[in-house]
Amino acid sequence: TQLLEQSPQFLSIQEGENLTVYCNSSSVFSSLQWYRQEPGEGPVLLVTVVTGGEVKKLKRLTFQFGDARKDSSLHITAAQPGDTGLYLCAGVGSGNTPLVFGKGTRLSVIA
Amino acid sequence: GAGVSQTPSNKVTEKGKYVELRCDPISGHTALYWYRQSLGQGPEFLIYFQGTGAADDSGLPNDRFFAVRPEGSVSTLKIQRTERGDSAVYLCASSLIGGTQPQHFGDGTRLSIL
Repeated sequence: TQLLEQSPQFLSIQEGENLTVYCNSSSVFSSLQWYRQEPGEGPVLLVTVVTGGEVKKLKRLTFQFGDARKDSSLHITAAQPGDTGLYLCAGVGSGNTPLVFGKGTRLSVIA
Repeated sequence: GAGVSQTPSNKVTEKGKYVELRCDPISGHTALYWYRQSLGQGPEFLIYFQGTGAADDSGLPNDRFFAVRPEGSVSTLKIQRTERGDSAVYLCASSLIGGTQPQHFGDGTRLSIL
């Protein structure tokens, strides 16, 4: 069974601070996706990383896929209250295997 | 354009009852997925349809859970003899052709079993 461990589970920071969220596994994934989920809504895809070592930027968010394609990180620069939410990583296996989600990191950015 | 629509948004019922949860995927999306999300957890895969057929139902927890997609569009997740442990948010997602294509999620049905 493929498992994804996310850390930290909870994070509360002040507006303007930087933070990093981690997603780790002992399994290799063909790609990894990051989602953000707000209360009462479904997850919304932020990015997909495919190549080992790949770095993608989405405004103040930087996503990195580990060289061995087993782990990923999400770094947020100068966090804003609008960044508050549940951040989920999901591993994509080969073929049509279903997404494997981590438990998520619940981020709270305080103004 | 219209996203994935799930109804009802909330369902409260008594233990032992039967429930049906509906998912309307994005038009033209052939792949449809059901997930269950318990409090404090990430979504957990239940079943995946490619067209009308269930391509992978390995995530269904037991035979009380069943899902159909008779015309390759709308899907219904059916739960018989509900138990309190079935309480969760049930999420539906669709994608263009499945595989590694991005999945678009609905807002879920919050199911509460009393």
